Amino acid sequence: AQSVTQPDIHITVSEGASLELRCNYSYGATPYLFWYVQSPGQGLQLLLKYFSGDTLVQGIKGFEAEFKRSQSSFNLRKPSVHWSDAAEYFCAVRDDKIIFGKGTRLHILP
Amino acid sequence: GAGVSQSPRYKVAKRGQDVALRCDPISGHVSLFWYQQALGQGPEFLTYFQNEAQLDKSGLPSDRFFAERPEGSVSTLKIQRTQQEDSAVYLCASRSAVDTQYFGPGTRLTVL
Repeated sequence: AQSVTQPDIHITVSEGASLELRCNYSYGATPYLFWYVQSPGQGLQLLLKYFSGDTLVQGIKGFEAEFKRSQSSFNLRKPSVHWSDAAEYFCAVRDDKIIFGKGTRLHILP
Repeated sequence: GAGVSQSPRYKVAKRGQDVALRCDPISGHVSLFWYQQALGQGPEFLTYFQNEAQLDKSGLPSDRFFAERPEGSVSTLKIQRTQQEDSAVYLCASRSAVDTQYFGPGTRLTVL
């Protein structure tokens, strides 16, 4: 069955530091992959998506993600985080419906 | 243009009451999805419409949950005889034929 695993429930980084959020997926065919961000009380905002082509995908707010088929991974990265990046991040795979991971909550230290 | 809208944004119900949650998708979007997000969890799929046809309702947790989209636009998710475990944020998303799903702000349901 299709699934998404986000191994880190919480991540804390200092403002200005680099960030990597891990995501592993299980999917039989070529996956459509997404990263969404959800701030408290807010809806889900799409950061970036991978459908095909270049395996390094650029998104909004300075985020990028790399699709690695051999590792079944789609990790999210940002070179320098800002306090406003504190939020919940969801990795997801699309199988018509979207299957979400359980999320990683990002905390930013000043 | 306008995004996906949902109403009400917040709903408090007494256990046993029926509730109806509304979703207005992006105009022209063929597909509409409902998800349930429990506190501290990722959203989980409930049901999916393509136009007015409900193609997948495998995620509905019980027969107390019912969704409709009679004219292929606005959708309503109805929960009968609400239980405390129904407390969650209910998210609606719409999608054009092959594009990304766009999510609404959600309806937070609290069952007392």
